[in-house]
Amino acid sequence: GAGVSQSPSNKVTEKGKDVELRCDPISGHTALYWYRQSLGQGLEFLIYFQGNSAPDKSGLPSDRFSAERTGGSVSTLTIQRTQQEDSAVYLCASRVGGANYGYTFGSGTRLTVV
Amino acid sequence: QQQVKQSPQSLIVQKGGISIINCAYENTAFDYFPWYQQFPGKGPALLIAIRPDVSEKKEGRFTISFNKSAKQFSLHIMDSQPGDSATYFCAASNPRGKLIFGQGTELSVKP
Repeated sequence: GAGVSQSPSNKVTEKGKDVELRCDPISGHTALYWYRQSLGQGLEFLIYFQGNSAPDKSGLPSDRFSAERTGGSVSTLTIQRTQQEDSAVYLCASRVGGANYGYTFGSGTRLTVV
Repeated sequence: QQQVKQSPQSLIVQKGGISIINCAYENTAFDYFPWYQQFPGKGPALLIAIRPDVSEKKEGRFTISFNKSAKQFSLHIMDSQPGDSATYFCAASNPRGKLIFGQGTELSVKP
């Protein structure tokens, strides 16, 4: 596609439920990132996939958070047993491989845990 | 560990004035320094970027100044317009591609 696509754009879930957030990167982009943006805050790095390399999971805040990337394209961020502090906008970005520039962001998924 | 520190947190500028946002970094392995602009409800969009082998880069009304020895870089918006009102983020990336962001600056340009 022309840009990074994220779905859903908004998600309201009850505390304790699991949620899955989806990211479709730009075609041909081998690097994919997840960030979390809390209200009025900066972008907090969560996880980074690069090609077939092991992902950099150093930003995941707890073991309730996990992400996978199937076939080097679509990625899913899963949050288990959601808590109210998980409420935030989750942003996905992608870029071409072999270069640390040209990051393109999606519009994000706004997650609200009630 | 906050590797990129951004200031000010918020900024109010009159139309036609100069907006200046500053960032400082710690990791000397960073070699790519972009600035992103974000409007409410949208994802961040790349505004301008610089590598540490140059001290200044200008694109239209936007200029990045880079001081490698001080590990600081700044964004200057000349002739600021109300349409520039947004949140601005500096960021830094190492050669492996991990992009770290500053905390953001909310800019308001008054008509």
